[in-house]
Amino acid sequence: DSGVTQTPKHLITATGQRVTLRCSPRSGDLSVYWYQQSLDQGLQFLIQYYNGEERAKGNILERFSAQQFPDLHSELNLSSLELGDSALYFCASSGQGNAYNEQFFGPGTRLTVL
Amino acid sequence: AQKVTQAQTEISVVEKEDVTLDCVYETRDTTYYLFWYKQPPSGELVFLIRRNSFDEQNEISGRYSWNFQKSTSSFNFTITASQVVDSAVYFCALSEGGSARQLTFGSGTQLTVLP
Repeated sequence: DSGVTQTPKHLITATGQRVTLRCSPRSGDLSVYWYQQSLDQGLQFLIQYYNGEERAKGNILERFSAQQFPDLHSELNLSSLELGDSALYFCASSGQGNAYNEQFFGPGTRLTVL
Repeated sequence: AQKVTQAQTEISVVEKEDVTLDCVYETRDTTYYLFWYKQPPSGELVFLIRRNSFDEQNEISGRYSWNFQKSTSSFNFTITASQVVDSAVYFCALSEGGSARQLTFGSGTQLTVLP
């Protein structure tokens, strides 16, 4: 158990809908990262937050947005969903100092868009 | 731009054989970090090791060992005396040394250990 929690574990929805994925980092970790794993794209970085502020952006679609709250949990919002958004979405967190270099992953949320 | 290449898509071995998973990386940074993660059939990503670019010492942890060679931009992973429980997808990843530490992953190697 990495200490990173993600809810829900599974999500099934329809095209055009909007969903919110939630992540709680390990206790004390200030950084949260979101990644998408799909069969065609592999594991791709989406976005990073550090202590509430966006720090880096990857291949994140404009239909997707994220935020990190004062209690350090993070949410990834996916809107106008398309079939191609079906994937496993991972959240990871990292600590401070040397521990900033190591990311520990949550169990993932499997999103199915029908 | 950084890139990680895992040329071996699938490897199949018989239990107790040794197996090496290859990883080649590209980066322009002089400070960077290399990682291996394991993804078992249950789907979670399990952290195995981190290596800093300035530390080329090889590392051994039980049946696992890692060989980091800057000269060839490689960070290979060897499992000695493989076991069925080692069956998983293994990912090599790279992060650069700036303020953001997002990981760039390779495409993964599916390792199947047969009894």
